[in-house]
Amino acid sequence: DIQMTQSPSSLSASVGDRVTITCRASQTISTSLNWYQQKPGKAPKLLIYAASSLPSGVPSRFSGSGSGTDFSLTISSLQPEDFATYYCQQTYSSPLTFGGGTKVEIK
Amino acid sequence: QVQLLQSGAEVKKPGASVKVSCRASGYTFIGYYIHWVRQAPGQGLEWMGWINPNSGATNSAQKFQGRVTMTKDTSVNSVYMELNSLRSDDTAVYYCARIVVDVDSGWFDPWGQGTLVTVSS
Repeated sequence: DIQMTQSPSSLSASVGDRVTITCRASQTISTSLNWYQQKPGKAPKLLIYAASSLPSGVPSRFSGSGSGTDFSLTISSLQPEDFATYYCQQTYSSPLTFGGGTKVEIK
Repeated sequence: QVQLLQSGAEVKKPGASVKVSCRASGYTFIGYYIHWVRQAPGQGLEWMGWINPNSGATNSAQKFQGRVTMTKDTSVNSVYMELNSLRSDDTAVYYCARIVVDVDSGWFDPWGQGTLVTVSS
């Protein structure tokens, strides 16, 4: 199974801060890496797909990069509605696996 | 719009079974696989398996093999996930999600709203 390791597991930041979350795969996954945002009591929502593609309707302050084993999600200017938990996911091979999550909290 | 609507919360006793439904709307039902993911309280996301709503073929994570059954009913654009021999550590929110596939990648969009399954004596 491919293990996905996210870091940090949590962070505190202020509105307007630039925030970067990383995700490392235990073996190469090309660009088969997605990011999801989850708010308390809600289902995850697609944020970035195929490592760097932005779905329609997702604000441009979100961006993704990476390929192979190392990936990152960046929020260029943190907004109040961005405080949530973020998960990476690999869909390169079965079983599909998720990172452990990164909780972004208000400083 | 594309939507997945799941059945309501369930409370079950240990050893019982639970069946969660997921009804699709806004797209061609048989055109996309549906995956199931669960999330224990305060924990991360755990992939369970998928079903092909066209053929009915399924695949599940090794952890759930022999205990999970995924089925479909194309007449009502719905898929179902049944989990047997429930234990307390099966208490979780269960999500269905449509997978969109491109040349060499796939992603979950959208997700159902989730179904809380509580296993308690």
